Amino acid sequence: GENVEQHPSTLSVQEGDSAVIKCTYSDSASNYFPWYKQELGKRPQLIIDIRSNVGEKKDQRIAVTLNKTAKHFSLHITETQPEDSAVYFCAANSPGLTGGGNKLTFGTGTQLKVEL
Amino acid sequence: DAGVIQSPRHEVTEMGQEVTLRCKPISGHNSLFWYRQTMMRGLELLIYFNNNVPIDDSGMPEDRFSAKMPNASFSTLKIQPSEPRDSAVYFCASSTHGGNQDNEQFFGPGTRLTVL
Repeated sequence: GENVEQHPSTLSVQEGDSAVIKCTYSDSASNYFPWYKQELGKRPQLIIDIRSNVGEKKDQRIAVTLNKTAKHFSLHITETQPEDSAVYFCAANSPGLTGGGNKLTFGTGTQLKVEL
Repeated sequence: DAGVIQSPRHEVTEMGQEVTLRCKPISGHNSLFWYRQTMMRGLELLIYFNNNVPIDDSGMPEDRFSAKMPNASFSTLKIQPSEPRDSAVYFCASSTHGGNQDNEQFFGPGTRLTVL
């Protein structure tokens, strides 16, 4: 099955700096890669996703890049702000599963802390 | 739309008791997922349904766990008998899935389960 690895597990940056979180996946059939943000005590919420037909996607201060050959994708947050402090999860789907599976395998999460 | 609805939000029970968690997916969504989140194991997929049919229950820890989806608007996750190691936050999520495209999973607020 799919295996998703995420690094680093914790990341501390100064306000205004950039933050980068990296993930690798194992299933070459994966074609959907979402990123979720989870604030303390809250539910995970999608912040951006990318499909395999593009190499990069940007939404204001966040961007995601995908390298299908190397099977890795990254989240980039620019001009970080204190409200960006949260746990971020990457995920990859498993489209080859029998039964039309749309299962997501999540990374282990990155605790991002933006310091003033 | 009210989003994914879960109940109860908090549950405290004693070891050996039966626990039933409930989920109402977003109307029109045809996929439903049950996740468990702990500090040690992160976000784990327990089971998911497509069009009310269980597709993959390989994440269900053991026979004490069971899940049902009797109709498109309701699902339950049952633990019988419960054990202290089942203490976690249980999330339900739903999404639309059709053809060859996976889409955003919307998470419910979660049920925080404590087994004493």
